[in-house]
Amino acid sequence: DSGVTQTPKHLITATGQRVTLRCSPRSGDLSVYWYQQSLDQGLQFLIQYYNGEERAKGNILERFSAQQFPDLHSELNLSSLELGDSALYFCASSVGATSGNTNTGELFFGEGSRLTVL
Amino acid sequence: AQRVTQPEKLLSVFKGAPVELKCNYSYSGSPELFWYVQYSRQRLQLLLRHISRESIKGFTADLNKGETSFHLKKPFAQEEDSAMYYCALSGGPFSGGYNKLIFGAGTRLAVHP
Repeated sequence: DSGVTQTPKHLITATGQRVTLRCSPRSGDLSVYWYQQSLDQGLQFLIQYYNGEERAKGNILERFSAQQFPDLHSELNLSSLELGDSALYFCASSVGATSGNTNTGELFFGEGSRLTVL
Repeated sequence: AQRVTQPEKLLSVFKGAPVELKCNYSYSGSPELFWYVQYSRQRLQLLLRHISRESIKGFTADLNKGETSFHLKKPFAQEEDSAMYYCALSGGPFSGGYNKLIFGAGTRLAVHP
């Protein structure tokens, strides 16, 4: 499967802990986006990387950080976890910095990583 | 501020009935609007985009700049249309790119036999 892959699929941890979510983009895609979906909320944009560099930032908490590595995979680090951080974290990818193939605005999503903070 | 509002959390219809999923947006420039769909146990995927003026799986959506709306419509719902639908907005290629897609909270469409 050459689609967007995210690991782990599920993660349960305690408050105060730190976790790392990993995302591998589609083959050939240079941009990676992270979104957070809390219960009954839409997808909240966190951050975007393009070819290793931060491209756009949303309402990402200071306790959260991300990076994109030379092989284009990305990691989202969540630290000092709180109960409210429990959510589904989606990664998406696109070819360019302008998201989507031929500037069509299409993002390709992973299945998400479900984080539960107890 | 950029915002996408989907006023209905759940829309329940019978097979063959018309469907309209509402989406309103707030954006100061000229946005690009999209509908994404997530079927059960599948990934979120693009359904259609307003710039293409296309009909996908019988769905259409017209951008109404006066009413700042981008409602998704289908004349005759099918059971396989049951899914979660998200309206999304971006600034388009002349505002720094499509970088951020701003999503609404989503509407669950349930089509009953």
